[in-house]
Amino acid sequence: DQQVKQNSPSLSVQEGRISILNCDYTNSMFDYFLWYKKYPAEGPTFLISISSIKDKNEDGRFTVFLNKSAKHLSLHIVPSQPGDSAVYFCAASVGGSEKLVFGKGTKLTVNP
Amino acid sequence: GAGVSQSPSNKVTEKGKDVELRCDPISGHTALYWYRQSLGQGLEFLIYFQGNSAPDKSGLPSDRFSAERTGGSVSTLTIQRTQQEDSAVYLCASSLSPGSSYEQYFGPGTRLTVT
Repeated sequence: DQQVKQNSPSLSVQEGRISILNCDYTNSMFDYFLWYKKYPAEGPTFLISISSIKDKNEDGRFTVFLNKSAKHLSLHIVPSQPGDSAVYFCAASVGGSEKLVFGKGTKLTVNP
Repeated sequence: GAGVSQSPSNKVTEKGKDVELRCDPISGHTALYWYRQSLGQGLEFLIYFQGNSAPDKSGLPSDRFSAERTGGSVSTLTIQRTQQEDSAVYLCASSLSPGSSYEQYFGPGTRLTVT
């Protein structure tokens, strides 16, 4: 029973264009959402997060959108750069719990 | 400053043997987490430590898995009588304090292969 789903295993975009990574969740108790980026042979690194009281959070080229009614969030990267090529994981947690529930990841390739 | 370190980086063991995986968190981080990532899967939560105690062990897959943390610092994940399905990358993370608003910093992981 996967509570956090990233249905696209991979995504390829051109440098300078927008990358949109999607994530769906099933547990309505989730109230905090995070995106992590992972390069090969390294641990995931935190990218951006959003609380369920917001519907948008922005940090430089990265913006996360949350649609609670649809149980959907997305990460927008604009403009995309070749250095953004990595696996992106969506994660969620329930308030008061330390457990992060991760999706399976989406491999983003940004072509020069 | 130093990040989260894990050792060994790679471990190959025979089925039925015991293994110990080590995690050195960032100095001063009170919360420590273990996850594992099997091939083609997302990260799966195993256990969480606050100081030396483990308030949440709910992710440990079986009683062959155990973990301890000493001195509020180093943690060891032990897998007894390893099975082939234990093959995965085991990741450790630490955070300054518990709570979802505190970023979890991950180590590079230990790749465990059970033959």
